[in-house]
Amino acid sequence: GAVVSQHPSRVICKSGTSVKIECRSLDFQATTMFWYRQFPKQSLMLMATSNEGSKATYEQGVEKDKFLINHASLTLSTLTVTSAHPEDSSFYICSASVGPSTDTQYFGPGTRLTVL
Amino acid sequence: AQKVTQAQTEISVVEKEDVTLDCVYETRDTTYYLFWYKQPPSGELVFLIRRNSFDEQNEISGRYSWNFQKSTSSFNFTITASQVVDSAVYFCALRRTQGAQKLVFGQGTRLTINP
Repeated sequence: GAVVSQHPSRVICKSGTSVKIECRSLDFQATTMFWYRQFPKQSLMLMATSNEGSKATYEQGVEKDKFLINHASLTLSTLTVTSAHPEDSSFYICSASVGPSTDTQYFGPGTRLTVL
Repeated sequence: AQKVTQAQTEISVVEKEDVTLDCVYETRDTTYYLFWYKQPPSGELVFLIRRNSFDEQNEISGRYSWNFQKSTSSFNFTITASQVVDSAVYFCALRRTQGAQKLVFGQGTRLTINP
C-alpha cells in the first residue's frame, strides 16, 4: 500500500514552454500532497504544500506564478512549471500523506525536467 | 527553527562491513518525528523508519538498526553486513507533530558498497 506515482518520469522541453507534472496516490486518498525540488547531489527542498480543494502553501522564495499547483481531488495533484527556463531544470518529487492525522509521507518516483 | 545535519557526505565500504550513518537534529519542539529515507539511483525515496520523540527505544529491522538518543539529539542508522544493493543516498528528516507536516531533510549521505 501507500503507492505514489508521477507522470512523466522524464521531460525535455524548450525554454519558454510550460510543463505539467502529475502526482497520484494510487491506493489511498491523500488530503495533503507536497512538492519538492532536488538539484544534483543535493537534498530535497520543499516547494509547496498542497491541500485538496484549497490553495497551495508555498515556501519562501518559491514563485507562485511560475510553479502552479492544483490539488483538485484526493488522489491527484499537478505541478505546472510555466515559461520554463534552463535554471528550472531539476528533479521534482511529490509526496503524499496517507491521511490528515498520519505523519509519514510516501514519495513518488520523481520527474526529471530538462529545459533546453 | 528546525535543522538536520548529516555530516558524512559520502561513505564507501566493502561489502559485508557494518556502517553507521550519523544524523543530528535541532528543534525547539518537545515532541517531533524523525525519519530515514533511502534514495537509490532510480531517484525514488523509500521510507525506512519513523520515530516519535517520546519513544527512545532502539529499533532493529533485519540488517538495519536505528539508535535514537534524545540527550544528544541524534538518530543514527546502522547497516549490518552491508550489501551492494544498500548503495544509495540516505536522508534523515525531521517533522513537527503539530502544525505543518513539512519535512526538514538533512543533506544526505551517499553510501557506496563495493563488492
